[in-house]
Amino acid sequence: DTAVSQTPKYLVTQMGNDKSIKCEQNLGHDTMYWYKQDSKKFLKIMFSYNNKELIINETVPNRFSPKSPDKAHLNLHINSLELGDSAVYFCASSQAHQGWETQYFGPGTRLLVL
Amino acid sequence: DQQVKQNSPSLSVQEGRISILNCDYTNSMFDYFLWYKKYPAEGPTFLISISSIKDKNEDGRFTVFLNKSAKHLSLHIVPSQPGDSAVYFCAASATTSGTYKYIFGTGTRLKVLA
Repeated sequence: DTAVSQTPKYLVTQMGNDKSIKCEQNLGHDTMYWYKQDSKKFLKIMFSYNNKELIINETVPNRFSPKSPDKAHLNLHINSLELGDSAVYFCASSQAHQGWETQYFGPGTRLLVL
Repeated sequence: DQQVKQNSPSLSVQEGRISILNCDYTNSMFDYFLWYKKYPAEGPTFLISISSIKDKNEDGRFTVFLNKSAKHLSLHIVPSQPGDSAVYFCAASATTSGTYKYIFGTGTRLKVLA
């Protein structure tokens, strides 16, 4: 009964490959997010979706494409992986898209690009 | 441009004593602040928050203080327990901005010594 789950937990891949990370929340929330935590430990928002609609798209390379098939799922597809994409990617969700809503995070996906 | 700063990367405290974690911000539009706690290999979990209309919020052993004029907030943990050993992230949002995103600091690693 994990609230926000991500698969896989670990991902090791070669440069140039395409990979996907999946996220699911069972909290009944309307809003979902993707964050990236880089080697300097900055936790930075990449995207947010509200009711399957893209709300926030930070200056992320267009090799990253989020997809939200329904409110409970937000997947992240990454094309042509680069060394700099190595990071921990966190999915999160909140009840609504408001600045005071508590966000609930998944356990993270550790991506290593070789 | 780091809008939320946690200048102490680490802090060690004896069990039973007070832990004080600090956070500074630069954007005067920020009006809602949160603290998240993160254990290794897990996602951040919400700890406590404060709105800019308050200067203090308390929840059990955890108290957050906000000094708007100094653009500074702090998290006090009293008494500190070994289970509090984790990385603590400060986050801020501008709830009237329309974009509703959290800006996170880089975290402070707290170690509570038994």
